[in-house]
Amino acid sequence: QVQLVQSGAEVKKPGSSVKVSCQASGGSFSRYYISWVRQAPGQGLEWMGEIMPILGSINYAQKFQGRVTMTADESTSTAYMELSSLRSEDTAVYYCAADSANWPSGSDYWGQGTLVAVSS
Amino acid sequence: AIQLTQSPSSLSASVGDSVTITCRASQGISHSLAWFQQKPGKPPKLLIYDASTLESGVPSRFSGSGSGTDFTLTISSLQPEDFVTYYCQQFKSYPHGFGQGTKLEIK
Repeated sequence: QVQLVQSGAEVKKPGSSVKVSCQASGGSFSRYYISWVRQAPGQGLEWMGEIMPILGSINYAQKFQGRVTMTADESTSTAYMELSSLRSEDTAVYYCAADSANWPSGSDYWGQGTLVAVSS
Repeated sequence: AIQLTQSPSSLSASVGDSVTITCRASQGISHSLAWFQQKPGKPPKLLIYDASTLESGVPSRFSGSGSGTDFTLTISSLQPEDFVTYYCQQFKSYPHGFGQGTKLEIK
């Protein structure tokens, strides 16, 4: 059974950056499509992007292009999402999710979520 | 980008009822659609993928159908734990966006 464990909550100042980690255990990390999804308080789910470590492919939502960087360290089975130039609207719970299918069809494993609060 | 529109945004029903949630795509996505359930304070849970395939371990009262632009999630014989929020997500092309969600409430 795959488990995704994310890093802890963060409080950041506007204009700063945050880097959230997501460590996988119990599966073939390199072969999963790892996506990042965020959820602002009381709002819906927002897809931010996806990385597939073994293919080295990365896709970002246009909304976050230039501000987000997704990476993966296969040696530690850890994915990272860094978001820069933070503003108050980036306050949200950030989830990593893993899709174990041969192509993206629905993430079957999710991290517990990381709250990022942006406040001056 | 492909837009997904869910309807209704909220829905009231009683335990034991059957309900249907609709997800409409702004362009054809074949069968590349998944449904998720989200309980408050928890990450989403995959229910259905490829429009109609039930994820392992998900109760059979959940079913999905559709192709192209119109999709449905049906929950039969509602149980108390089913009164939460549901999202659709498309995988035909990037970005893999979500619908806005449907909140199922107890009548």
